[in-house]
Amino acid sequence: GDSVTQMEGPVTLSEEAFLTINCTYTATGYPSLFWYVQYPGEGLQLLLKATKADDKGSNKGFEATYRKETTSFHLEKGSVQVSDSAVYFCALILTGGGNKLTFGTGTQLKVEL
Amino acid sequence: GAGVSQSPSNKVTEKGKDVELRCDPISGHTALYWYRQSLGQGLEFLIYFQGNSAPDKSGLPSDRFSAERTGGSVSTLTIQRTQQEDSAVYLCASSPWASGGRNTGELFFGEGSRLTVL
Repeated sequence: GDSVTQMEGPVTLSEEAFLTINCTYTATGYPSLFWYVQYPGEGLQLLLKATKADDKGSNKGFEATYRKETTSFHLEKGSVQVSDSAVYFCALILTGGGNKLTFGTGTQLKVEL
Repeated sequence: GAGVSQSPSNKVTEKGKDVELRCDPISGHTALYWYRQSLGQGLEFLIYFQGNSAPDKSGLPSDRFSAERTGGSVSTLTIQRTQQEDSAVYLCASSPWASGGRNTGELFFGEGSRLTVL
């Protein structure tokens, strides 16, 4: 079946450090890929997405590139802030079939001063 | 409000009791999803609705779990004879339907209902 694997957290970084959260996927078809973020005390919200190979999704300084050859969608940010502390979820949905969004287990990020 | 609303936000119940969790999706959103988030676990898919019908209920853990949606809007998730392993945050999300009858994958989540079974 379809699945998403994320690096385990928690990840603790100093402010202005570079962030990478790894995400790889297994899909029976051709997926669209997503990163969702859950800030403390809030509901999940979409951070960015990419719908085809080599697309780059970006938002709020975060980026992720859809790599079909490595089945990956790693999340990156050049300089994290304390306000980026949250749980990040990688997810996929199959394009053209199935309407279920499959999530990874989430990676907690803590940014310290 | 403009967002997905869930109630109750917090529910503590005794083992063996029934509970109902409610979700009010964003107006006009055709698709509605229920997920479960347990401590240390990811998001576990339970069921999704397209309008009032549920094309995929494959994630419901047992026949103690059921869900319905009425009027293409409000949904209720019911857990009968609750067990301690049912303790989790139950998340509801809604989504508009893209042209061509496909879901874009852009879900709008509520803040969840935290269920604790003693």
